[in-house]
Amino acid sequence: EIVMTQSPATLSVSPGERATLSCRASQSVSSNLAWYQQKPGQAPRLLIYGASTRATGVPARFSGSGSETEFTLTISSLQSEDFAVYYCQQYNNWPPLTFGGGTKVEI
Amino acid sequence: QVQLVQSGAEVKKPGASVNVSCKASGYTFTNYAINWVRQAPGQRLEWMGWINGGNGITRYSQNMQGRVTISRDTSASIAYMELSSLRSEDTAVYFCARTALVVKRGVLDVWGQGAMVTVSS
Repeated sequence: EIVMTQSPATLSVSPGERATLSCRASQSVSSNLAWYQQKPGQAPRLLIYGASTRATGVPARFSGSGSETEFTLTISSLQSEDFAVYYCQQYNNWPPLTFGGGTKVEI
Repeated sequence: QVQLVQSGAEVKKPGASVNVSCKASGYTFTNYAINWVRQAPGQRLEWMGWINGGNGITRYSQNMQGRVTISRDTSASIAYMELSSLRSEDTAVYFCARTALVVKRGVLDVWGQGAMVTVSS
């Protein structure tokens, strides 16, 4: 089973600032990496797949990069609606699909 | 629009079983798979298993130790998840999520709203 590790656990930023979230895989997942956003009481929402492709309707301020074992999600200028928990997930070698522990982006 | 609508919250006693449904609309059910993912309070997302909406083939997480069964009714575009021998650690929100069968297989692009299952004596 591929273990996904995210850092930091919590990221404190101000609106308008840049946020950089990291995700590491225990073995190579190629570019088969997705990012999800989850707000309290809601289901996760797909943001990025293929490590860098934005899902339909996702604003351009969200960008993903990386391959193999190291990945980054960048939010270029945080808006109020971006404060949430972000999860990475690998789909290169499954079952099982595996998720990181999440990064909480807070004000 | 494409959506997945799940059944409501459940409260069960230890040792009982729970059945959660997931009704799909806005797309051809048999062209996609449905995954089940759960999230215990304050915990990460945990994949439980999936069912191919077309041929009904299922795959399960070994962590579920044979307690989970996923099925489907193609005529109604509904997927079901049954979890048996419930214990307190199964208290969680249970989500269904769609994934494509070929391209982007494994990407969970549409999610249900979640169903809270509480296991308590």
